[in-house]
Amino acid sequence: NAGVTQTPKFQVLKTGQSMTLQCAQDMNHEYMSWYRQDPGMGLRLIHYSVGAGITDQGEVPNGYNVSRSTTEDFPLRLLSAAPSQTSVYFCASSYNRGLNEKLFFGSGTQLSVL
Amino acid sequence: LAKTTQPISMDSYEGQEVNITCSHNNIATNDYITWYQQFPSQGPRFIIQGYKTKVTNEVASLFIPADRKSSTLSLPRVSLSDTAVYYCLVGDRSGAGSYQLTFGKGTKLSVIP
Repeated sequence: NAGVTQTPKFQVLKTGQSMTLQCAQDMNHEYMSWYRQDPGMGLRLIHYSVGAGITDQGEVPNGYNVSRSTTEDFPLRLLSAAPSQTSVYFCASSYNRGLNEKLFFGSGTQLSVL
Repeated sequence: LAKTTQPISMDSYEGQEVNITCSHNNIATNDYITWYQQFPSQGPRFIIQGYKTKVTNEVASLFIPADRKSSTLSLPRVSLSDTAVYYCLVGDRSGAGSYQLTFGKGTKLSVIP
């Protein structure tokens, strides 16, 4: 199993550009989520999904869209990138949304918005 | 939304035992307490999880008092490779009908030779 795979690993965007960060897992996990990590801020939840067709907002959802058309994939879309979205993004998944489920993280996408 | 409080940083010499405490006053009755470790340029990885009293595995021990309003991660005889950020995770039910897994800001542990 590959676990949680994120692409790309690095990305540079200009303000106003759009892009999609990809996340895929091959563990048949129902729960998937996106976090962003900024210096001194820890990990902050952007969006999450408890199953295909179901998404919900986290702590910092503004400027990001998600969809969950399959169990395996949970892409994160930036419709109009802003410098404030410069961050490291992590995708995570678990078997279900219960707190007693371990979260498995991808290796991250480092995004810079100029 | 954050419901956990941890020290921002800690220093320790190699070979010492390190204890990191997390406060979570609003923990829900059915919530578990989970700790994650993150090395630079990597995603966090699971270390240990518990509900009450004490849990021990090959990596760490977790102590949880009866009121469950705090927990302490104990790392025995740390080495340089234990230098990392440690996160305490509990559920966040503050949103109406939502269930969010919220990380605190983490504790940066630096192990000194």
